[in-house]
Amino acid sequence: DQQVKQNSPSLSVQEGRISILNCDYTNSMFDYFLWYKKYPAEGPTFLISISSIKDKNEDGRFTVFLNKSAKHLSLHIVPSQPGDSAVYFCAATRGDGANSKLTFGKGITLSVRP
Amino acid sequence: DGGITQSPKYLFRKEGQNVTLSCEQNLNHDAMYWYRQDPGQGLRLIYYSQIVNDFQKGDIAEGYSVSREKKESFPLTVTSAQKNPTAFYLCASSFGQGGQPQHFGDGTRLSIL
Repeated sequence: DQQVKQNSPSLSVQEGRISILNCDYTNSMFDYFLWYKKYPAEGPTFLISISSIKDKNEDGRFTVFLNKSAKHLSLHIVPSQPGDSAVYFCAATRGDGANSKLTFGKGITLSVRP
Repeated sequence: DGGITQSPKYLFRKEGQNVTLSCEQNLNHDAMYWYRQDPGQGLRLIYYSQIVNDFQKGDIAEGYSVSREKKESFPLTVTSAQKNPTAFYLCASSFGQGGQPQHFGDGTRLSIL
């Protein structure tokens, strides 16, 4: 049973436009969410996170929105740049640290066209 | 520079052999993790360790073993019992669990000859 779902396997966006990457979760115990970016043959790198006490967190061109009632979060990248082309993983956990672990989605491949 | 080092980057194994993947971190992180990535599958947790001399099974631990004798090191052994070992293996670490972002190594790609 997949607890974190990234239903769109890929997304293609024109440079300068907005990229919106979606993620849904089913486990209501999750209260901390993270986005990672991964280039081929490299490990993922942490991008941005959000706690369930907030509905938005922003860091430069990256903004994550959380809709707890819908169990949905999204990552907005604006403006998109060709260097943003990578696989993006959504991950979720219980933030209380009580034997928690990250549960990852399958990832979305973002392609930003010059 | 602080970071996580995985070696080797590419590894080949004959069927029936055990093989050990190395993971070393100098970030002074308490927790370490092993993930497996298959095409279209995302990252799946194999084993994790919160402190030295302690570790727990993740979602797909069968056919794998680990040890955590030192804080900096968390080697993963892929045993002959693992029926489909060909994959990209990623090691990660964090200060704690839960909401701590994990820092990843660059991975080891294991292939069966």
